[in-house]
Amino acid sequence: NAGVTQTPKFQVLKTGQSMTLQCAQDMNHNSMYWYRQDPGMGLRLIYYSASEGTTDKGEVPNGYNVSRLNKREFSLRLESAAPSQTSVYFCASSATTGTAANQPQHFGDGTRLSIL
Amino acid sequence: AQSVTQLDSQVPVFEEAPVELRCNYSSSVSVYLFWYVQYPNQGLQLLLKYLSGSTLVKGINGFEAEFNKSQTSFHLRKPSVHISDTAEYFCAVSRPNQGGKLIFGQGTELSVKP
Repeated sequence: NAGVTQTPKFQVLKTGQSMTLQCAQDMNHNSMYWYRQDPGMGLRLIYYSASEGTTDKGEVPNGYNVSRLNKREFSLRLESAAPSQTSVYFCASSATTGTAANQPQHFGDGTRLSIL
Repeated sequence: AQSVTQLDSQVPVFEEAPVELRCNYSSSVSVYLFWYVQYPNQGLQLLLKYLSGSTLVKGINGFEAEFNKSQTSFHLRKPSVHISDTAEYFCAVSRPNQGGKLIFGQGTELSVKP
């Protein structure tokens, strides 16, 4: 029962470097999400994908890009990392389809990213 | 725009005591409400959800929450906590026709002491 798998679990980058965070789910879910978690701020949505082939901005998309590679995989890319992007990143998926927003989200264990 | 406010950032409590974690939301339309728990160095797990119907919902690990539409609240309760309940708890809302996006509160750190 893998659920949502995120790689890597930890990463340290220098300012200006780029990297891609990987996320895969094995629950055949339509919708996938990327959040960042910062102390005292809860989780904030970066981007989401309501279905394969579609992506939309969330609350804090600046400095990030995403790719919904197929139904299973949803990657998050930092093109030029900045210290303000130091955070814990969570990927989630849900069975939400169309207008139905009542399906719970299933979360990965997170990627802890530090940018020096 | 909708928002979620968790009224306490930290709640210390002794083992076997009751606890209430408070959550208020603002929205001009109907919402779905969720409580998630996050144990150290882990992702979030669903505790319970309110979609419609009975305003008292029961979740895992003995937790329950009551939806109060007039007060726009969704407080989480447990009658007797255990050391293992020590974790961070998040209240979240989503709206119909919004792709399932969740808006989270800031989180409440529950610390259960022996």
